[in-house]
Amino acid sequence: AQSVTQPDIHITVSEGASLELRCNYSYGATPYLFWYVQSPGQGLQLLLKYFSGDTLVQGIKGFEAEFKRSQSSFNLRKPSVHWSDAAEYFCAVVERRDDKIIFGKGTRLHILP
Amino acid sequence: DSGVTQTPKHLITATGQRVTLRCSPRSGDLSVYWYQQSLDQGLQFLIQYYNGEERAKGNILERFSAQQFPDLHSELNLSSLELGDSALYFCASSPSPGLAEAFFGQGTRLTVV
Repeated sequence: AQSVTQPDIHITVSEGASLELRCNYSYGATPYLFWYVQSPGQGLQLLLKYFSGDTLVQGIKGFEAEFKRSQSSFNLRKPSVHWSDAAEYFCAVVERRDDKIIFGKGTRLHILP
Repeated sequence: DSGVTQTPKHLITATGQRVTLRCSPRSGDLSVYWYQQSLDQGLQFLIQYYNGEERAKGNILERFSAQQFPDLHSELNLSSLELGDSALYFCASSPSPGLAEAFFGQGTRLTVV
């Protein structure tokens, strides 16, 4: 069965430091991949998406993600985090056969001043 | 503002009761998704509708049902409520099933007491 794994439940980084959030998926073909962010009390907002083509995709708020087929990964990165980036981040995969969007469990990002 | 409207924002009800959650998708979006978010289960896909027809089904209990109306708004009905049904329920919409990003509402927080 298709699945999305975010191995880190919590990550803490200092403001200004670089960030990488990990995401691995299990799927037979290249899926459509997404990263969403959820701020406290808010719905989910799309950060970026990968459908095909260039494996490095740019998103909003200075985030980027790289699709690595050989590792079945789609890690999210940001070169320098800001305190406002503290939120929960979800990796998601579209299961095209059923048109379901499957989410990982999420990674909660904490920012140290 | 994602353009997806969910009502009510908060709902407190007793066990055994029945509630209806409402979702108005973004203008022009034909696809509606329902998700349940709880601390232990994360974001669980419940059900998807496309232009009034059920498109995909996830981990939706038999006590739960949904529909999408001709004006494309959707309702999620939860009956015989249990304490464990307490969660945040999200609706999302997209122009087409699966291929485009999903826009999430702010969610309805259901508390069953």
